[in-house]
Amino acid sequence: DVKVTQSSRYLVKRTGEKVFLECVQDMDHENMFWYRQDPGLGLRLIYFSYDVKMKEKGDIPEGYSVSREKKERFSLILESASTNQTSMYLCASKGGGRETQYFGPGTRLLVL
Amino acid sequence: SQQGEEDPQALSIQEGENATMNCSYKTSINNLQWYRQNSGRGLVHLILIRSNEREKHSGRLRVTLDTSKKSSSLLITASRAADTASYFCATDADGTASKLTFGTGTRLQVTL
Repeated sequence: DVKVTQSSRYLVKRTGEKVFLECVQDMDHENMFWYRQDPGLGLRLIYFSYDVKMKEKGDIPEGYSVSREKKERFSLILESASTNQTSMYLCASKGGGRETQYFGPGTRLLVL
Repeated sequence: SQQGEEDPQALSIQEGENATMNCSYKTSINNLQWYRQNSGRGLVHLILIRSNEREKHSGRLRVTLDTSKKSSSLLITASRAADTASYFCATDADGTASKLTFGTGTRLQVTL
């Protein structure tokens, strides 16, 4: 079974802090994704990566950056957290010719 | 941008009843997928239907796709309390699952 893990289930940060959200997958998947999920808006793609050191912007990249230095790890960075970045963040991966994405358990981030 | 819109937003039924939720989308697709999310958790893939398919079954799940109407429905038969979750449709425009577009979800509550 594919396992996608996220570094924290819950996180509380203050406005202006730099925040790192980490995601690790254990299936050698090429593609990894970061979404945010907000009530009434569903999941929105922030960034995705199709290979090490490669990244592409999703629908809402503003205020975020990403890093993929190793194939199994994809990091989401909030350079200066703001209250409107309070959300549920979901990481996913895809690979092996499969047409579906595998999700981590999510990180609920609260920015005060 | 959000392509999929689920209907209804919330659905409450009793155990043993059938649950039907609908998804509409706007642009052409290669396939449409349904995912389930238990409260506060990540998403789990349920079923995929391709654009050249009209109906697909998996256990108690039945999915239909009408590409002329750009709509899909998910039917859960003989529902159980454990089916309580949010259900999301996701459209895949090019068949690579590299950029899924998720709907806003239907919250299903199954009571005893």
